[in-house]
Order: sequence, then structure tokens, then C-alpha cells
Amino acid sequence: EVVLTQSPATLSLSPGERATLSCRASQSVSSYLAWYQQKAGQAPRLLIYDASNRATGIPARFSGSGSGTDFTLTISSLEPEDFAVYYCQQRSNSLTFGGGTKVEIK
Amino acid sequence: EVQLVESGGGLVQPGGSLRLSCAASGFIFSSYAIHWVRQAPGKGLEYVSAISSNGGNTYYANSVKGRFTISRDNSKDTLFLQMGSLRAEDMAVYYCARVWKTGITWNWFDLWGQGTLVTVSS
Repeated sequence: EVVLTQSPATLSLSPGERATLSCRASQSVSSYLAWYQQKAGQAPRLLIYDASNRATGIPARFSGSGSGTDFTLTISSLEPEDFAVYYCQQRSNSLTFGGGTKVEIK
Repeated sequence: EVQLVESGGGLVQPGGSLRLSCAASGFIFSSYAIHWVRQAPGKGLEYVSAISSNGGNTYYANSVKGRFTISRDNSKDTLFLQMGSLRAEDMAVYYCARVWKTGITWNWFDLWGQGTLVTVSS
């Protein structure tokens, strides 16, 4: 099973700041990695797929990068609605999710 | 409206059974693989099970293999998860999620239901 480790567990930032979230895979997943955003009481929403492609309707402030085992989700300037939990997911070998990073207001 | 709506959650005793449903609308249900993903209270997301678009192929996480059965009725645009021998660790919100491309079982999820809560407790 591919284990995805997300860091940090919690990121405390202010609106307008840049957020950098990390996802590390226990083995190479090529570019088969996605990022989801989940707000309290809601289902996850697809943000980024295939490591670096924005899903439909996702603002340009969200960007993804990486391949192999190391991936990054960057939010260039945090908007109030961006404070949420973010999960990475791989589909290279079955499906697994990372443990999540909570982006909270500082 | 394109949506998935889960139902069937509730309180069940350890060792008991429960059947979840996921009703689809607004899209051609029979063209898409669908997965069940669960989330324990305050925890992250966990893949549970998947079924191909025509129902011919099913897949399970090791944690539920032999206890859960996924199925679908394409004539009624509905997905099911029959859950048996339930344990405390099965307690979670269960989401059904659509694979975003037709005809592919393993891919990203572009449409999720609102989830249904399964509580396992005596």
C-alpha cells in the first residue's frame, strides 16, 4: 500500500499569505496525485489532479507541483474561504489518501 | 441537478449489518465507476470499495474485505454498500464518489454525496 504523509498537520496563516502544503509518498506514484479541499461538514472537492492540473472552476491561486514521491500544493494568497483541510490522494496503486493538512486562521 | 445522495446510515450494534444506498441523478449513472470513501469522526479519508460502471468488477480495501459488498442497479441509478460484521472502527461518515471520467474505475473523484453517518455502538 502506498502511504501518503502530509505535512505540516496544521498551518496557521493570515489571509493574503502564501500556503505551502507537502505530500510525500512511500513509493513513486509518478504524477498520479490529486489534492482535495474539505470544509467542515462538507464533502471533499477536487482541486488539483495529475499533480499539477487545476480542476474545473478552481481559482488560479491554487497550484500543484511534483512527481514521483514529493508533491506540493501552493495557495499563492489565502482568501477567507481557503481555510479548510486539504488532502492528497494517489491512484498509482489502488487508492490512498494522506492524513490531511488543516489550514487555519492565525 | 447532478448529484449523489446517500442514505441508510444509523446506529447499529457491533456485529450487526447495515445497507447504505447512493442515489444518482443528473448524469448517466451507468457510464461511471463509483466508490465508497469513509471518514471516521475527526479523521482523514479512507477508500472503502469501488465498482466499475457496469458492475462487473468490484474492489475492496483490506479492512472491509469479506465483510462489505458493493453493488449497483443501473436501471435505478443506485449504488449500494452492504455492510456486515460491523466493528467500532467502521464508525464513520460514508461518502459515495463518482470517478470523473467514464469507463475508468481508478481515477479522481469529481462528484461526492453529502455523506451518511454510520455509528457502531452497543
